[in-house]
Amino acid sequence: QVQLVQSGAEVKKPGASVKVSCKPSGYSFTDYYLHWVRQAPGQGLEWMGWINPDSDGTKYAQQFQGRVTMTRDTSITTAYMELSGLTSDDTAVYYCARATYSSYHDYWGQGTLVTVSS
Amino acid sequence: EIVLTQSPGTLSLSPGERATLSCRASQSISSIYLAWYQQKPGQAPRLLIYGASSRATGIPDRFSGSGSGTDFTLTISRLEPEDFAVYYCQQYGVSPRTFGQGTKVEIK
Repeated sequence: QVQLVQSGAEVKKPGASVKVSCKPSGYSFTDYYLHWVRQAPGQGLEWMGWINPDSDGTKYAQQFQGRVTMTRDTSITTAYMELSGLTSDDTAVYYCARATYSSYHDYWGQGTLVTVSS
Repeated sequence: EIVLTQSPGTLSLSPGERATLSCRASQSISSIYLAWYQQKPGQAPRLLIYGASSRATGIPDRFSGSGSGTDFTLTISRLEPEDFAVYYCQQYGVSPRTFGQGTKVEIK
């Protein structure tokens, strides 16, 4: 069955960077884009961008341009989202979710809580 | 950017009642690019509806979606106890993908 397993919770200081991983299983890694969506405490869902594991192409939401980097390692079929210049506003649960190019998110990771605190 | 506005913010209903949730887009979107998700506390969102009206695998038929252009609706025909949750619409046809702010369906 399809699963997306993410890395564990992180606590970071303001100004630091965080790197969250997402390891899919149950399907071919290169067949689906991986998107990242975040959710601040008590708030809604915010789309951050995607990576195409096949081509390594990426697209980021404008508000994260220059701060986010999405990568993948095909040898271990894992995708990563790195966010730099953290502030308290980046405290959120970060989800990975798969989709084809112009399609819905049918499977989601369990979420990774990133807490930014001094 | 396409802004999705969901209403109402909170819907207070009893089990067995009908729930009607609205999602309005700031510009017309193709219905094939509109999805609804359910989220319960501490869980990831779950896909309910895609293409505005197609139920995802395993979703009960009490959930239905409709609409076109700028106005879309999610209907839950008879609320079950497990349906009390937050519901989000999303458009995925135009970048950036955007979500509505959510509608909370709570027990009255």
